[in-house]
Amino acid sequence: AQSVTQLDSHVSVSEGTPVLLRCNYSSSYSPSLFWYVQHPNKGLQLLLKYTSAATLVKGINGFEAEFKKSETSFHLTKPSAHMSDAAEYFCVVSDSYYVGATNKLIFGTGTLLAVQP
Amino acid sequence: GAGVSQSPRYKVTKRGQDVALRCDPISGHVSLYWYRQALGQGPEFLTYFNYEAQQDKSGLPNDRFSAERPEGSISTLTIQRTEQRDSAMYRCASSHRTGGGGYTFGSGTRLTVV
Repeated sequence: AQSVTQLDSHVSVSEGTPVLLRCNYSSSYSPSLFWYVQHPNKGLQLLLKYTSAATLVKGINGFEAEFKKSETSFHLTKPSAHMSDAAEYFCVVSDSYYVGATNKLIFGTGTLLAVQP
Repeated sequence: GAGVSQSPRYKVTKRGQDVALRCDPISGHVSLYWYRQALGQGPEFLTYFNYEAQQDKSGLPNDRFSAERPEGSISTLTIQRTEQRDSAMYRCASSHRTGGGGYTFGSGTRLTVV
C-alpha cells in the first residue's frame, strides 16, 4: 500500500527565511510524488511533481523538492518565504506507474505554513 | 471550459435528504475523480471514471454514495439519506489522460448536513 507522512502539521517561518516542509513516502512501486498547495477558500493547485525523471524537481513560485529514494523522502523547500506562501501544503503519492493503476492520489494530512512579517 | 467547475459551491441540507453534486471537467479530459476532504484532513479518494466508465469506486464509503458520468463529460455525485458525518468539502478533478498525468482540481462543493 502507498502512503505519505507529513512530519509537521504546522510550520512557521519569517518572511525572507527558508522554508522546509517534510514528507516521507511508502510505496511498493517507483512512485509518482506531488506537492499541492491549498490557499484558504481556494482549490488545490499543483506545485510540482516527480515522475522518475530528475530527482530535483522545480515547481512554481520558487518551490522545489528532491526525491531521495534511500531516505524515502520528498521534502519541499523554498529559499526565501513570501507572505503569499502562507497556505496548507499537501504531499501526495500516486499509483500511476504500474499496469492497472487508477492514477488516484493519496494525500498526506497537510502542513499549515504560516509566514510571519 | 477553462477549468473544472463544480456546483453548487455551498450546500446546506437537512439530515435524511438526498443531494446531488455536479462536476463539469475541462473539455476533452478523459479521466474524472471525486475526492472528499474533511475539515483538517487531506482529500480522500472516492471514485474515478475513464470516459463514461466508472473504473474504481473503492473509496465510496457506503451504498448511500453513488456517481455517474453518462456521456463521459459532466459527472454527478449523489448522496442519499444524508447524515451529519457526510459534511465535508467534495472535490472533483480531471486529467487529460488515463495514467500518469497531472490533475486539475475544481474549487469544491462545501456540504453541510444539519
